[in-house]
Amino acid sequence: GQQLNQSPQSMFIQEGEDVSMNCTSSSIFNTWLWYKQDPGEGPVLLIALYKAGELTSNGRLTAQFGITRKDSFLNISASIPSDVGIYFCAGRTSGSRLTFGEGTQLTVNP
Amino acid sequence: SAVISQKPSRDICQRGTSLTIQCQVDSQVTMMFWYRQQPGQSLTLIATANQGSEATYESGFVIDKFPISRPNLTFSTLTVSNMSPEDSSIYLCSVEGGPGLLYNEQFFGPGTRLTVL
Repeated sequence: GQQLNQSPQSMFIQEGEDVSMNCTSSSIFNTWLWYKQDPGEGPVLLIALYKAGELTSNGRLTAQFGITRKDSFLNISASIPSDVGIYFCAGRTSGSRLTFGEGTQLTVNP
Repeated sequence: SAVISQKPSRDICQRGTSLTIQCQVDSQVTMMFWYRQQPGQSLTLIATANQGSEATYESGFVIDKFPISRPNLTFSTLTVSNMSPEDSSIYLCSVEGGPGLLYNEQFFGPGTRLTVL
């Protein structure tokens, strides 16, 4: 089946630093989604990407759909304490179910 | 996005019992899904809840253990049957498609945290 490798597994950064995390797949995807999950909550959709090469921003967040359609990255600029949480990538091919990455646990030290 | 609620938000249950989790959406949606998230893990799809027909289960999940209902376009239930401690997880409902929602964008409820003793 499809597999997603998400890295890094965890990150410890200082407030104000930029963050980058990425996902790679063994399969070609048509859609990439990035979610954030706070403790005790469900995942919240941050950014959706639909086209190879697409670069999309949502505030301090920027995500890109890789040209090969097998990878995506998420950048967070000027991190703040409320950025703490687990970030998940998810991808799918047409009509198939979503496949989730293993998550990146982000800790921001004030 | 859609507003999704789940009941209960958490529960502690005895092994051998069953728990039914409800998922309510504030608008009609095309697709509804149930996921399991074991402690410290990613999300695993249990099944797609189909309105008016049997749910479509993923490999490793069976109807006898996880019966699902979807009587209409805004509501679904997941039952965790004959529970064991290994069923301790967060159970998440998600939705996709419908008026005002883009296909390929999936939205999640707040989850139900289940602990089985």
